[in-house]
Amino acid sequence: SQKIEQNSEALNIQEGKTATLTCNYTNYSPAYLQWYRQDPGRGPVFLLLIRENEKEKRKERLKVTFDTTLKQSLFHITASQPADSATYLCALSSINSWGKLQFGAGTQVVVTP
Amino acid sequence: GAVVSQHPSWVICKSGTSVKIECRSLDFQATTMFWYRQFPKQSLMLMATSNEGSKATYEQGVEKDKFLINHASLTLSTLTVTSAHPEDSSFYICSAQYRGQQETQYFGPGTRLLVL
Repeated sequence: SQKIEQNSEALNIQEGKTATLTCNYTNYSPAYLQWYRQDPGRGPVFLLLIRENEKEKRKERLKVTFDTTLKQSLFHITASQPADSATYLCALSSINSWGKLQFGAGTQVVVTP
Repeated sequence: GAVVSQHPSWVICKSGTSVKIECRSLDFQATTMFWYRQFPKQSLMLMATSNEGSKATYEQGVEKDKFLINHASLTLSTLTVTSAHPEDSSFYICSAQYRGQQETQYFGPGTRLLVL
Protein backbone atom coordinates (compact mmCIF):
# COMPACT_ATOMS: atom_id res chain seq x y z
CA SER A 1 0.00 0.00 0.00
CA GLN A 2 1.03 3.60 -0.48
CA LYS A 3 2.68 5.25 2.49
CA ILE A 4 4.09 8.66 3.29
CA GLU A 5 6.18 8.81 6.43
CA GLN A 6 7.41 11.79 8.36
CA ASN A 7 9.17 11.90 11.71
CA SER A 8 6.51 11.78 14.38
CA GLU A 9 8.82 13.19 17.03
CA ALA A 10 8.88 16.95 17.37
CA LEU A 11 12.02 18.68 16.19
CA ASN A 12 13.31 21.12 18.79
CA ILE A 13 15.79 23.57 17.40
CA GLN A 14 17.51 26.73 18.51
CA GLU A 15 16.82 30.00 16.75
CA GLY A 16 19.23 30.63 13.91
CA LYS A 17 19.94 26.97 13.22
CA THR A 18 18.77 24.97 10.23
CA ALA A 19 15.83 22.61 10.67
CA THR A 20 15.80 19.57 8.39
CA LEU A 21 12.68 17.46 7.96
CA THR A 22 12.36 14.16 6.15
CA CYS A 23 9.54 12.74 4.05
CA ASN A 24 9.83 9.15 2.82
CA TYR A 25 7.33 7.44 0.56
CA THR A 26 6.67 3.94 -0.71
CA ASN A 27 4.66 2.51 -3.59
CA TYR A 28 4.29 5.82 -5.36
CA SER A 29 5.04 7.04 -8.83
CA PRO A 30 5.13 10.69 -7.88
CA ALA A 31 4.22 13.48 -10.23
CA TYR A 32 5.12 16.12 -7.69
CA LEU A 33 5.57 16.65 -3.97
CA GLN A 34 4.53 19.60 -1.87
CA TRP A 35 5.32 20.92 1.58
CA TYR A 36 2.75 22.71 3.70
CA ARG A 37 2.78 24.49 7.03
CA GLN A 38 -0.08 23.90 9.46
CA ASP A 39 -0.66 25.87 12.63
CA PRO A 40 -2.87 24.44 15.41
CA GLY A 41 -6.55 24.54 14.51
CA ARG A 42 -5.87 25.94 11.04
CA GLY A 43 -5.82 24.66 7.49
CA PRO A 44 -2.52 23.93 5.71
CA VAL A 45 -0.67 26.73 3.95
CA PHE A 46 1.24 25.89 0.77
CA LEU A 47 5.01 26.44 0.91
CA LEU A 48 6.80 24.71 -1.96
CA LEU A 49 6.20 22.33 -4.84
CA ILE A 50 8.85 20.16 -6.46
CA ARG A 51 8.27 17.97 -9.50
CA GLU A 52 9.60 14.46 -9.96
CA ASN A 53 12.19 15.60 -12.50
CA GLU A 54 13.53 18.36 -10.23
CA LYS A 55 16.24 17.92 -7.62
CA GLU A 56 15.99 21.09 -5.58
CA LYS A 57 13.78 24.13 -5.09
CA ARG A 58 14.33 27.21 -2.96
CA LYS A 59 12.12 29.96 -1.66
CA GLU A 60 13.62 32.51 0.69
CA ARG A 61 14.82 30.54 3.74
CA LEU A 62 13.22 27.30 2.58
CA LYS A 63 14.81 24.57 0.51
CA VAL A 64 13.36 21.30 -0.70
CA THR A 65 15.18 18.39 -2.28
CA PHE A 66 13.61 15.43 -4.03
CA ASP A 67 15.37 12.12 -4.59
CA THR A 68 13.13 9.70 -6.47
CA THR A 69 15.76 6.96 -6.22
CA LEU A 70 15.78 7.12 -2.44
CA LYS A 71 12.04 7.95 -2.46
CA GLN A 72 12.72 10.82 -0.15
CA SER A 73 12.30 14.56 0.15
CA LEU A 74 14.15 16.79 2.57
CA PHE A 75 12.79 20.13 3.72
CA HIS A 76 15.16 22.69 5.20
CA ILE A 77 14.40 25.87 7.10
CA THR A 78 17.57 27.94 7.36
CA ALA A 79 18.13 30.65 9.97
CA SER A 80 15.09 29.38 11.82
CA GLN A 81 12.95 31.78 13.84
CA PRO A 82 10.42 31.20 16.64
CA ALA A 83 7.71 32.18 14.11
CA ASP A 84 8.65 29.08 12.11
CA SER A 85 7.27 26.90 14.92
CA ALA A 86 4.46 24.85 13.36
CA THR A 87 3.71 21.42 11.95
CA TYR A 88 5.07 20.79 8.46
CA LEU A 89 3.26 18.41 6.16
CA CYS A 90 4.56 16.59 3.14
CA ALA A 91 2.04 15.74 0.39
CA LEU A 92 2.37 13.68 -2.77
CA SER A 93 0.43 13.58 -5.98
CA SER A 94 0.92 10.49 -8.07
CA ILE A 95 0.99 10.24 -11.83
CA ASN A 96 -2.20 8.18 -11.70
CA SER A 97 -4.06 10.76 -9.62
CA TRP A 98 -2.79 14.12 -10.82
CA GLY A 99 -4.12 16.92 -8.67
CA LYS A 100 -5.09 14.73 -5.73
CA LEU A 101 -2.85 14.86 -2.68
CA GLN A 102 -2.00 12.30 -0.06
CA PHE A 103 -0.51 13.75 3.10
CA GLY A 104 1.98 12.58 5.65
CA ALA A 105 1.13 13.03 9.33
CA GLY A 106 3.52 15.95 9.66
CA THR A 107 6.46 16.86 11.84
CA GLN A 108 6.17 19.51 14.52
CA VAL A 109 9.00 22.03 14.65
CA VAL A 110 9.63 24.06 17.79
CA VAL A 111 12.13 26.91 17.48
CA THR A 112 13.33 28.31 20.78
CA PRO A 113 14.92 31.73 21.16
CA GLY B 1 -5.44 36.13 -3.86
CA ALA B 2 -6.78 32.54 -3.88
CA VAL B 3 -8.61 32.73 -0.57
CA VAL B 4 -10.87 29.93 0.62
CA SER B 5 -13.27 30.35 3.50
CA GLN B 6 -15.23 27.84 5.54
CA HIS B 7 -18.33 28.31 7.62
CA PRO B 8 -18.85 27.65 10.42
CA SER B 9 -15.39 27.56 11.97
CA TRP B 10 -16.69 25.32 14.72
CA VAL B 11 -19.93 23.56 15.51
CA ILE B 12 -21.29 21.50 18.38
CA CYS B 13 -24.32 19.31 17.75
CA LYS B 14 -26.27 16.50 19.32
CA SER B 15 -25.92 12.95 18.11
CA GLY B 16 -28.37 12.17 15.32
CA THR B 17 -28.56 15.66 13.88
CA SER B 18 -27.19 16.79 10.52
CA VAL B 19 -24.57 19.46 10.08
CA LYS B 20 -23.76 21.45 6.94
CA ILE B 21 -20.33 22.95 6.33
CA GLU B 22 -19.77 25.49 3.57
CA CYS B 23 -16.59 26.01 1.58
CA ARG B 24 -16.24 29.10 -0.59
CA SER B 25 -13.57 30.34 -2.94
CA LEU B 26 -13.67 34.09 -2.42
CA ASP B 27 -11.66 35.46 -5.32
CA PHE B 28 -11.49 32.71 -7.92
CA GLN B 29 -13.65 30.12 -9.59
CA ALA B 30 -12.98 26.67 -8.23
CA THR B 31 -13.49 23.94 -10.79
CA THR B 32 -12.55 21.29 -8.25
CA MET B 33 -12.93 21.19 -4.49
CA PHE B 34 -11.66 18.60 -2.07
CA TRP B 35 -12.87 17.65 1.38
CA TYR B 36 -10.51 16.30 4.01
CA ARG B 37 -10.88 15.09 7.57
CA GLN B 38 -8.13 15.30 10.17
CA PHE B 39 -8.06 13.60 13.55
CA PRO B 40 -5.67 14.87 16.25
CA LYS B 41 -2.01 14.21 15.49
CA GLN B 42 -2.93 12.50 12.23
CA SER B 43 -2.61 13.40 8.58
CA LEU B 44 -5.29 14.96 6.44
CA MET B 45 -7.37 12.19 4.91
CA LEU B 46 -9.02 12.92 1.60
CA MET B 47 -12.72 12.16 1.79
CA ALA B 48 -13.99 13.20 -1.62
CA THR B 49 -13.37 15.25 -4.73
CA SER B 50 -16.11 17.39 -6.19
CA ASN B 51 -16.28 19.04 -9.57
CA GLU B 52 -18.75 21.80 -10.26
CA GLY B 53 -21.99 20.45 -11.64
CA SER B 54 -21.19 16.78 -11.24
CA LYS B 55 -21.42 14.18 -8.51
CA ALA B 56 -18.63 13.94 -5.99
CA THR B 57 -16.12 11.11 -6.14
CA TYR B 58 -15.63 9.52 -2.73
CA GLU B 59 -12.48 7.83 -1.48
CA GLN B 60 -12.61 4.20 -0.46
CA GLY B 61 -14.20 3.71 2.92
CA VAL B 62 -16.06 7.04 2.97
CA GLU B 63 -19.83 6.64 3.13
CA LYS B 64 -21.37 8.81 0.46
CA ASP B 65 -24.82 8.65 2.07
CA LYS B 66 -23.41 9.92 5.34
CA PHE B 67 -21.21 12.67 3.91
CA LEU B 68 -23.25 14.47 1.29
CA ILE B 69 -21.29 16.80 -0.95
CA ASN B 70 -22.81 19.40 -3.23
CA HIS B 71 -20.71 21.57 -5.55
CA ALA B 72 -23.51 23.81 -6.71
CA SER B 73 -21.46 26.63 -8.19
CA LEU B 74 -17.90 27.53 -9.08
CA THR B 75 -17.45 29.22 -5.72
CA LEU B 76 -19.36 27.03 -3.29
CA SER B 77 -19.21 23.43 -2.11
CA THR B 78 -21.05 22.06 0.89
CA LEU B 79 -20.44 19.00 3.05
CA THR B 80 -23.39 17.71 5.06
CA VAL B 81 -22.69 15.20 7.81
CA THR B 82 -25.97 13.36 8.16
CA SER B 83 -27.09 11.74 11.41
CA ALA B 84 -23.84 12.72 13.07
CA HIS B 85 -22.37 10.53 15.80
CA PRO B 86 -19.55 11.20 18.25
CA GLU B 87 -17.08 9.30 16.06
CA ASP B 88 -17.71 11.91 13.34
CA SER B 89 -16.16 14.54 15.59
CA SER B 90 -13.14 15.79 13.70
CA PHE B 91 -11.55 18.73 11.89
CA TYR B 92 -12.97 19.09 8.39
CA ILE B 93 -10.94 21.02 5.83
CA CYS B 94 -11.77 21.91 2.26
CA SER B 95 -9.50 22.98 -0.55
CA ALA B 96 -10.05 24.36 -4.01
CA GLN B 97 -8.33 24.33 -7.37
CA TYR B 98 -8.95 26.43 -10.40
CA ARG B 99 -8.72 25.55 -14.05
CA GLY B 100 -5.19 25.37 -15.35
CA GLN B 101 -3.67 25.14 -11.85
CA GLN B 102 -4.26 21.50 -11.03
CA GLU B 103 -1.07 21.21 -9.03
CA THR B 104 -2.10 23.79 -6.46
CA GLN B 105 -4.75 23.44 -3.78
CA TYR B 106 -5.83 26.40 -1.69
CA PHE B 107 -7.03 25.34 1.73
CA GLY B 108 -9.74 26.73 3.91
CA PRO B 109 -9.21 27.38 7.62
CA GLY B 110 -11.11 24.25 8.65
CA THR B 111 -14.26 23.47 10.65
CA ARG B 112 -14.10 21.80 14.02
CA LEU B 113 -17.09 19.48 14.56
CA LEU B 114 -17.95 18.11 17.98
CA VAL B 115 -20.84 15.68 18.23
CA LEU B 116 -22.17 15.10 21.73
